[in-house]
Amino acid sequence: EAGVAQSPRYKIIEKRQSVAFWCNPISGHATLYWYQQILGQGPKLLIQFQNNGVVDDSQLPKDRFSAERLKGVDSTLKIQPAKLEDSAVYLCASSSWETQYFGPGTRLLVL
Amino acid sequence: AQKVTQAQTEISVVEKEDVTLDCVYETRDTTYYLFWYKQPPSGELVFLIRRNSFDEQNEISGRYSWNFQKSTSSFNFTITASQVVDSAVYFCALSEDQSGNTPLVFGKGTRLSVIA
Repeated sequence: EAGVAQSPRYKIIEKRQSVAFWCNPISGHATLYWYQQILGQGPKLLIQFQNNGVVDDSQLPKDRFSAERLKGVDSTLKIQPAKLEDSAVYLCASSSWETQYFGPGTRLLVL
Repeated sequence: AQKVTQAQTEISVVEKEDVTLDCVYETRDTTYYLFWYKQPPSGELVFLIRRNSFDEQNEISGRYSWNFQKSTSSFNFTITASQVVDSAVYFCALSEDQSGNTPLVFGKGTRLSVIA
C-alpha cells in the first residue's frame, strides 16, 4: 500500500512570495490533515478535511494560508504572502479510522 | 484543553542500554487514544503504537514496550537494548475520541541519541 505522498520535499522562498504544497493521501482515506511543525516542536494542526469538506480550520491563519481538497482526494496548501515565521515543516496526514499516517513533509525556508 | 508533556528534551545512551521516554497527558475526556510516533532524520513521522483509554494492558513489540497508567496519566515508552537505528525524535500524542478522525495533540518530542 502506497503511503502519503507530498511534494515538493524542500522549498526556499523569500518573504512576501507565494508557495504551494501538494498532498496525495493513502487511497481510500477520507480524512486528511495538514500540520505545521516548527523546529524543536511537535506538529500542530492547521486544517482537517473530511472528504472535500473542512472539519476544523480554527488554527489556520486565514489571512495568508488557504487549503483545498478538490474531489476529496488530493489537497493543496498555499501560503500567500509568506513570512519569516512560516519557516517550518508542513506535514500531511491521512486516516480512515483510528490511526493517522504521515507523509515525508515539505521543509519550507523563508528568507 | 488537552495537553501532552514530554519533559525529557534530549537523551543520550550507549548502544545496548535500556531507555525510557516519559509522556504525561491531560484531558477531560473519558475516552481517548494515545500514540507514539518516531521521527528519524528523514523527517517522516512513523506510527509506532495506538492505545485506547480503556485498555491499560502493557504492550510489548520486540524491543519496544509501553506502560499506560491512567492513575498517573502517563504513557511511557521503553526501548530495550537500544541500537543506533533507534536514534530519532519520539513524539507522544493524544486524540480526544475513539473515532480516530480527530486531530492529534503532540508533545514537544524527545530526541534520543544512541551512541555506538
